[in-house]
Amino acid sequence: GAVVSQHPSRVICKSGTSVKIECRSLDFQATTMFWYRQFPKQSLMLMATSNEGSKATYEQGVEKDKFLINHASLTLSTLTVTSAHPEDSSFYICSARDPKRNQETQYFGPGTRLLVL
Amino acid sequence: DAKTTQPPSMDCAEGRAANLPCNHSTISGNEYVYWYRQIHSQGPQYIIHGLKNNETNEMASLIITEDRKSSTLILPHATLRDTAVYYCIVRENNAGNMLTFGGGTRLMVKP
Repeated sequence: GAVVSQHPSRVICKSGTSVKIECRSLDFQATTMFWYRQFPKQSLMLMATSNEGSKATYEQGVEKDKFLINHASLTLSTLTVTSAHPEDSSFYICSARDPKRNQETQYFGPGTRLLVL
Repeated sequence: DAKTTQPPSMDCAEGRAANLPCNHSTISGNEYVYWYRQIHSQGPQYIIHGLKNNETNEMASLIITEDRKSSTLILPHATLRDTAVYYCIVRENNAGNMLTFGGGTRLMVKP
């Protein structure tokens, strides 16, 4: 199937710093990517929809100024957690849809585990 | 999207078939049934999806009841590597392509 990568796979940072997470579609172009967050023992929660060349769409309760999303190319979306705090510690997962394959199947990245001290 | 109900956990013996049920009694006519799984500390993996006909691929089979109010994912010969949380999701195609994850079923395959 289509491959989606994330970098870094895990990151530890100090409270108040910003962290950038990259999501790449390796063998296809994705006009839309999705960012999810997963706390321990919980299910995935959609944070935002990242659209290439336009502003991201955020879910209710997700602060757009805190979670900056940039989708500058058809193969790359970035999520920046600004001024991270311990409560932002979570597993961040992106997904993308390959419009040339099964249009409705989303392919997920391996996730990025963020720990804010 | 319609809501789904799954048992929180199930056990299965290695080598036996794992049958994971999902109730989606409020599913509408244009909603598909999708199954994903998430192995610990990894991103979800697509398994299979269907509308009303039963489907089979190299990973699993999907059996959808005639009234479409429930479905069963079948892993014909479960292995230890199939231990994961399995999510049943119903959604319209082209519904912004977003997926709404419920609690899923934690399948434990035991030797």
